[in-house]
Amino acid sequence: AQSVTQLGSHVSVSEGALVLLRCNYSSSVPPYLFWYVQYPNQGLQLLLKYTTGATLVKGINGFEAEFKKSETSFHLTKPSAHMSDAAEYFCAVSGRTGYGTLTFGRGTMLLVSP
Amino acid sequence: DAGITQSPRHKVTETGTPVTLRCHQTENHRYMYWYRQDPGHGLRLIHYSYGVKDTDKGEVSDGYSVSRSKTEDFLLTLESATSSQTSVYFCAISGTDNQPQHFGDGTRLSIL
Repeated sequence: AQSVTQLGSHVSVSEGALVLLRCNYSSSVPPYLFWYVQYPNQGLQLLLKYTTGATLVKGINGFEAEFKKSETSFHLTKPSAHMSDAAEYFCAVSGRTGYGTLTFGRGTMLLVSP
Repeated sequence: DAGITQSPRHKVTETGTPVTLRCHQTENHRYMYWYRQDPGHGLRLIHYSYGVKDTDKGEVSDGYSVSRSKTEDFLLTLESATSSQTSVYFCAISGTDNQPQHFGDGTRLSIL
């Protein structure tokens, strides 16, 4: 069984500030981990993924995330927020078996103020 | 962008009526998924398919059925719609079981 916890349903930052969105997971098997972003009235777009290898993963739009097995975490960061980053962000986990089905967190809405 | 088309994009219907949502892909991907998105719940898996005529239940499958008679189409049916099935429904596809899923633009379904 797998689960994902995203801490904070809303996170507010100022433009230019650090973005930190938290994700903790539980999985009975080594996980694949993903971050997706959703803009209003759109589908989900993949930001980045961790499968194997390097634990620091870089994605699109300047985002990155670090897989920390000991902390069962996969937090998403961006050094400097831009107004266009305002969106909802979802962390998801998939086991290495099981047809690739994803378990999502409840999402974190990122608000960016000028 | 992955070639995924969901239809209809919006639908309003009444309780007790049957509803079918269609997901069409042009990527020839093996895996297809249906999720529903509700405020405060994120996305939850309804059903998925790992090949033609091969489907299985997800976390919230009660009240839903699916069919996949050809690679490119995955249908989600609500046999007798209820107000609790008002939601936004997303289809996703994947080439293998460890590749990221690509999502369609969603179907907003309202059941009155």
